[in-house]
Amino acid sequence: DAKTTQPPSMDCAEGRAANLPCNHSTISGNEYVYWYRQIHSQGPQYIIHGLKNNETNEMASLIITEDRKSSTLILPHATLRDTAVYYCIVRLTNDYKLSFGAGTTVTVRA
Amino acid sequence: GAGVSQSPRYKVAKRGQDVALRCDPISGHVSLFWYQQALGQGPEFLTYFQNEAQLDKSGLPSDRFFAERPEGSVSTLKIQRTQQEDSAVYLCASSRAGTSGRTIQYFGAGTRLSVL
Repeated sequence: DAKTTQPPSMDCAEGRAANLPCNHSTISGNEYVYWYRQIHSQGPQYIIHGLKNNETNEMASLIITEDRKSSTLILPHATLRDTAVYYCIVRLTNDYKLSFGAGTTVTVRA
Repeated sequence: GAGVSQSPRYKVAKRGQDVALRCDPISGHVSLFWYQQALGQGPEFLTYFQNEAQLDKSGLPSDRFFAERPEGSVSTLKIQRTQQEDSAVYLCASSRAGTSGRTIQYFGAGTRLSVL
């Protein structure tokens, strides 16, 4: 009953933008899109979240399509330290749990 | 410390042994969560506390798993009579508030449990 679909893996070049796609075609109006990442041997780290509008913070940008059925996480200038598993999570406004899928393993190459 | 602290980082147990895993959440955080992460998979929810009250334990895999947070801060996850299938990383997370989907959960580094 996965709510999101992500590619299992992707490579990107150091210094370039990394664009990570996520499909959430069954998202409802009161569900947020959250992104976390997990670097090897660490706990998941919050990156960004949004409801309808595009969002940007010091780590990344989140672009949500107008129909909200998909989104893209953008790491503007990928570094080797951005190598991690990236999880796209859909979460109800009154839901306390995070439901992680398999995520996308992103490898940044020099 | 500023973050969620978990101890021990690594635990090796013989099958049948009891283990206790500790979580120190971020100071002042009301909500505390435990997740289990099997090798190569995403974390899966185990249980949720709001202050000292355990509001959801639906993810605990069996009655061998028990969690407590008696004073609303530090939490302990106890596994009795460990089995090999209990081998996993156990993650603790905390957040300021409870049920809002807008709250951010902050995770500790986890405890890697290996049952031999």
